[in-house]
Amino acid sequence: DTGVSQNPRHKITKRGQNVTFRCDPISEHNRLYWYRQTLGQGPEFLTYFQNEAQLEKSRLLSDRFSAERPKGSFSTLEIQRTEQGDSAMYLCASSLDGPTDTQYFGPGTRLTVL
Amino acid sequence: AQSVTQPDIHITVSEGASLELRCNYSYGATPYLFWYVQSPGQGLQLLLKYFSGDTLVQGIKGFEAEFKRSQSSFNLRKPSVHWSDAAEYFCAVGPYSGSARQLTFGSGTQLTVLP
Repeated sequence: DTGVSQNPRHKITKRGQNVTFRCDPISEHNRLYWYRQTLGQGPEFLTYFQNEAQLEKSRLLSDRFSAERPKGSFSTLEIQRTEQGDSAMYLCASSLDGPTDTQYFGPGTRLTVL
Repeated sequence: AQSVTQPDIHITVSEGASLELRCNYSYGATPYLFWYVQSPGQGLQLLLKYFSGDTLVQGIKGFEAEFKRSQSSFNLRKPSVHWSDAAEYFCAVGPYSGSARQLTFGSGTQLTVLP
C-alpha cells in the first residue's frame, strides 16, 4: 500500500492558462474523489468517481473544470482559463467500495494563479 | 443538507495536558463521522472514524472520540498532548446513502502545543 499520490505537488500559473493535475489512488481502491481546500477552510467536495464513472459533481465544479478517470485507475483534473480564485490546494482521496468506505487522502497539489 | 461546526478556530495547550476538540454536526440520518489531521502543506491523515456500534472509538496516536447522538457531537480527545500533535484537525460527516459519498468538513481547529 503506497498511499494516494498526486502530481505535481505545486503549480504556479498565470491567469488564463490551463492546468492539469494527476491523482494515483491506492491500487485496489475503486472510488476516487477530488476536493478543493482554500486557506483557513476545510476541504470542499468537487467530484467523485466509481471506477471510470463520474457519479457526483458539486456545484463548485464550474464548466472550466473537468475530471476524468479513463480506465478506472488514475484520474486527472483539468482547469481551463484559470482565474485567481482557483488558487487553492486540490486534494485527491480514494476508497474501497463497502459499508465502511473510508477515504484516504493524498498530499495535495497547491495551485497558485498569478 | 449536512453541515459540521468546529467552534474553536484555535486552541493552545501545554505539552502533557489533556485535549478536547469539539465537533457538532447536522445530518438527518445516522451520520458517519471522521476526524482527520493535517500538517502544514500536507494532505489529510485519518485519525479515527465512527460508523456504528460502540460510541467511543479509538484512533491512532492515542486519540479517541465519542459519538453523542443526543448532542449531535463527535468530540476528539487525547489525555496527554505531545509537541508533535501540533497541526490542524478536521471533523467530517459523510452521508453514505444512495450514490452520495462526499464528505462535508468543518472549518478546522488549529492546535498549538506549548513546551
